[in-house]
This record gives sequence, C-alpha cells and structure tokens, in this order.
Amino acid sequence: DAGVIQSPRHEVTEMGQEVTLRCKPISGHNSLFWYRQTMMRGLELLIYFNNNVPIDDSGMPEDRFSAKMPNASFSTLKIQPSEPRDSAVYFCASSFEGAKNIQYFGAGTRLSVL
Amino acid sequence: GNSVTQMEGPVTLSEEAFLTINCTYTATGYPSLFWYVQYPGEGLQLLLKATKADDKGSNKGFEATYRKETTSFHLEKGSVQVSDSAVYFCALSDRGAVDKIIFGKGTRLHILP
Repeated sequence: DAGVIQSPRHEVTEMGQEVTLRCKPISGHNSLFWYRQTMMRGLELLIYFNNNVPIDDSGMPEDRFSAKMPNASFSTLKIQPSEPRDSAVYFCASSFEGAKNIQYFGAGTRLSVL
Repeated sequence: GNSVTQMEGPVTLSEEAFLTINCTYTATGYPSLFWYVQYPGEGLQLLLKATKADDKGSNKGFEATYRKETTSFHLEKGSVQVSDSAVYFCALSDRGAVDKIIFGKGTRLHILP
C-alpha cells in the first residue's frame, strides 16, 4: 500500500486566494483526520471524519476553513480566502476500525501564504 | 480534559549517549499511550505503544513503560544514533466513537556524531 497520499507537497499562494489541499487515505481505513502543524502551536487537530461523515470540526479555526469527504478514498481541506497566518504544514492521517488508535500520516502539504 | 505534557526541546546528545524524554499525562479512564516520531520532511509515524498499566512498548531500541501510579510514559534508548535525530511526540488515545489522539507538543532531538 502506498500509504496516505497528500497533494500538493508544497503550495505557495497569495493572500486572498483559495487553497485546496487533497488527501487519499489508506484503502480500507474508515477514519480520516486533518491536522495543522506550526512552530508556535505544534500539532492541532482541525477536523475528523468517520465513514465519510464529519464527527468533530471544533478545531477548524474559522469559517474560512472547510473540509469534505465525498467518498472513502478522498478528502479535501479548503481555505478561502487564505491569509498569511494560515502558513503551516497540513497533515492528513487515517485509521481503521480494527486499530482505531493508530493513525497513519501522510507526508504533509507545506502551505505558504504570501 | 485529557492532556499530555512532555519535556521541551531541543535535546542535544552525542552519539551512543543514553536518551530519556519525559512524558506525563492526564486522563480519565485508561487510555492507550503512544510515542510517535517525525523525521525531517515527513509525517508522524508510530514508534511504540502501550495499552495498559505496566505494559512496555518497544521498537528500534526505544522503550517506554506505562506507569499508572506516576501517570508517566517516558521514552528511553540506551545508545542513540545520528539517525535518531527527529521530533518525538508523546500521545494518548481519547476514547470515543472514533479514537482521537491527543499529542504533546513534541521534543526535537539532535544527535551529534
């Protein structure tokens, strides 16, 4: 298995632009998590899904952030409009029912908002 | 609520030195405990886990013992290598319908040759 796949690996954009980050979880995994990592705040859980349904989005910083999971093999995290303070590394992770408390992380998307 | 506290870094050691990274937790019930490692430019990956009191997790020469009486899960390695340079995260599972993981802030480890 290729593991959790995130794209793009790097994204540079200008303030005010829309940014879409993509994630393909490991096949057969039914939970998906989006995290943000910064030097100041460390690793923050933004939102997670179970069986494609959002379970907890309390970590989403504000309405500019939205996430979807239209099917079991794809999820997006969208920021519209983007701001410089959104610059961070965004990670997607997935887990499966049989080992719910082990999460497998993608390599992350490094976002720079200028 | 549940939380994890780990020692701040960076920690700098010479190769073959003994490593300890302290981690304590606050939790209701009996969570599972983890150490995840993040190598430069990569996502986190599970290093080891322990699911109940007195369990010892081990992997790649690293060990950690689930100590309920001191609510601790300290990471140790007897002889570190340059390749162990990474950020180490202590974490616990937050049991619920879907098991969230609560991560500590991470400890950056530098190993000098």
